This record gives sequence, structure tokens and C-alpha cells, in this order.
Amino acid sequence: RKEVEQDPGPFNVPEGATVAFNCTYSNSASQSFFWYRQDCRKEPKLLMSVYSSGNEDGRFTAQLNRASQYISLLIRDSKLSDSATYLCAVRRDYKLSFGAGTTVTVRA
Amino acid sequence: DTAVSQTPKYLVTQMGNDKSIKCEQNLGHDTMYWYKQDSKKFLKIMFSYNNKELIINETVPNRFSPKSPDKAHLNLHINSLELGDSAVYFCASSPRTSGDYEQYFGPGTRLTVT
Repeated sequence: RKEVEQDPGPFNVPEGATVAFNCTYSNSASQSFFWYRQDCRKEPKLLMSVYSSGNEDGRFTAQLNRASQYISLLIRDSKLSDSATYLCAVRRDYKLSFGAGTTVTVRA
Repeated sequence: DTAVSQTPKYLVTQMGNDKSIKCEQNLGHDTMYWYKQDSKKFLKIMFSYNNKELIINETVPNRFSPKSPDKAHLNLHINSLELGDSAVYFCASSPRTSGDYEQYFGPGTRLTVT
């Protein structure tokens, strides 16, 4: 079983829609959680950290459910520029493990 | 003023050759990483150095050898290249080894082995 698993999508949504997707992790000792964004043929960039109580950054909301070992990302009022692959990342000790990503395509 | 830079950006070579990829960061970070992203987009840690000391060495063939001459540089040498080594290799850095520190990625080196 992979350490971090994501629904690969793609999620095709119209502009203005809300889209949400999850990421599950296998190790209950995982310590920190993140969402990274990766545009096509570019490097990953941190979108946001995920805190235990959940957190928002503008149109993006991240949640952590330790009991069920998943994190989620919700994008409100989707923009064309939100089209990307969203990578879930989970840290335990020194190591950051990534999921294979969820692809989101926002259409006009 | 690039934060994490890698050279070369593209590398096309034949099976059996030896090649190196270089990485430099000007962020003053203590920790650097090499990741491999395969055709399925799965980003997997290979190595990590903290202040020139190897701290992560995942199950990687010993044809791959990282070298950190100082904490701002982390190079990757690959011997006897195989078709399965074709991937994008990303270098990254972070201020420390642990904690909620962002990892900053370089632009990647797209390696194609023919």
C-alpha cells in the first residue's frame, strides 16, 4: 500500500464551481500535512499547510481528519488559473511523502 | 535571483552512459533533497542531505550517488544509465530537516535514456 494515495481525477469543473478532493495516508504517526500545486511541466510549489483545526487561504480550504487518516482540499469559485495537479504531501520525521496528484481542469 | 537552480534542464543520453545533474540553492537552507518524478507523476524522495550529511537514503540503486560539497550544493551522479531512469529529477531545499517548513523545488531535469 502506498504511503499517500489520491484520486487522480481529472476533475473537470466550470468556472465558479466548487471542487473538493481527498488524500489518504497510511501511517498514523505522520506529523505534518501539506498541499502542493504542480502546473504542467513545472516544479511543485507549496499551496498551503494543513492544520489540525482546518484552515483557509482565500478560496482554498484544507481539512485534516486524523481519525480516518485523510486530508482534503476544497476550492471555491474556481478560476481558470486553478487548473493544475494538486499533490498531497505528508511528513513523518525527515521524510516528506507525496501522492501522485489530483488533476483539476477548470473550463470557461 | 533564482532560489533553487538545476543544470541541465534537459538531458538525453544512451543506455550505459554516466551523467551528472547539479543543483544549487541560494536560500541559505540547511537541507537539500533529490526527488524522482516518473511518467505516472509520482514524486518520490531519493536522498536528503542536512549540512552536507546524508540523512535520507531511500531504496535507490547504488548506480545513483549524491554528493554535497557544501550546504548550498547537491549533485546527483548516475552510472550505467538504464531506460527506467528516464524521469524528471527535482532538487529541493528547506530551512531545516523537520517541522512545517516549505520545500522549495528547482525547475527539474528531464532525463531521457534511449
